[in-house]
Amino acid sequence: EAGVAQSPRYKIIEKRQSVAFWCNPISGHATLYWYQQILGQGPKLLIQFQNNGVVDDSQLPKDRFSAERLKGVDSTLKIQPAKLEDSAVYLCASSARDRGLPDSPLHFGNGTRLTVT
Amino acid sequence: AQSVTQPDIHITVSEGASLELRCNYSYGATPYLFWYVQSPGQGLQLLLKYFSGDTLVQGIKGFEAEFKRSQSSFNLRKPSVHWSDAAEYFCAVGDNYGQNFVFGPGTRLSVLP
Repeated sequence: EAGVAQSPRYKIIEKRQSVAFWCNPISGHATLYWYQQILGQGPKLLIQFQNNGVVDDSQLPKDRFSAERLKGVDSTLKIQPAKLEDSAVYLCASSARDRGLPDSPLHFGNGTRLTVT
Repeated sequence: AQSVTQPDIHITVSEGASLELRCNYSYGATPYLFWYVQSPGQGLQLLLKYFSGDTLVQGIKGFEAEFKRSQSSFNLRKPSVHWSDAAEYFCAVGDNYGQNFVFGPGTRLSVLP
């Protein structure tokens, strides 16, 4: 099966600019996650979708970050305006994990490395 | 809510030596436990998972992990490390509702030739 696709792989922007990341999950996976991974740290959940509804966005800085998952498939994550501390790798993951399949793992894309200068 | 700790930030072993990476979790019910590996510039790859049954689970690349409920631990082991195993290793725990999924801070493994 095809894996989770993310683009772009790398992005360099100046602070106060905007940026968007795209994710295409594994076909049939209802749950989609966006994680932020700062260098040397574990992934931190930004937002979790179940189909096209938001399950958890408690750690999403909503004043500058937004995400959507139209039609319950692809998703985009946007940062506007970016700050220096947003420099990180942004990972998208998808899973069949839900109440009926709690042991289903997350499958990750290769991530987008964002550098804010 | 569940949580995960990985006490070792960085471990260095010689190639051919055995390896054990520690993971401790906190969760009020039976946890769903996972180990992932992340090579530089890559996403996370699943090594193995545990929910129930035999407490010793086998994974890919020769890794295994043992679930010990009394110690709230899920340590990852490999009998003989290869240079290609150098990477970051993350333990994760999921709740039994299929909702929350939490990662530990990771352990970086270096392998000496």
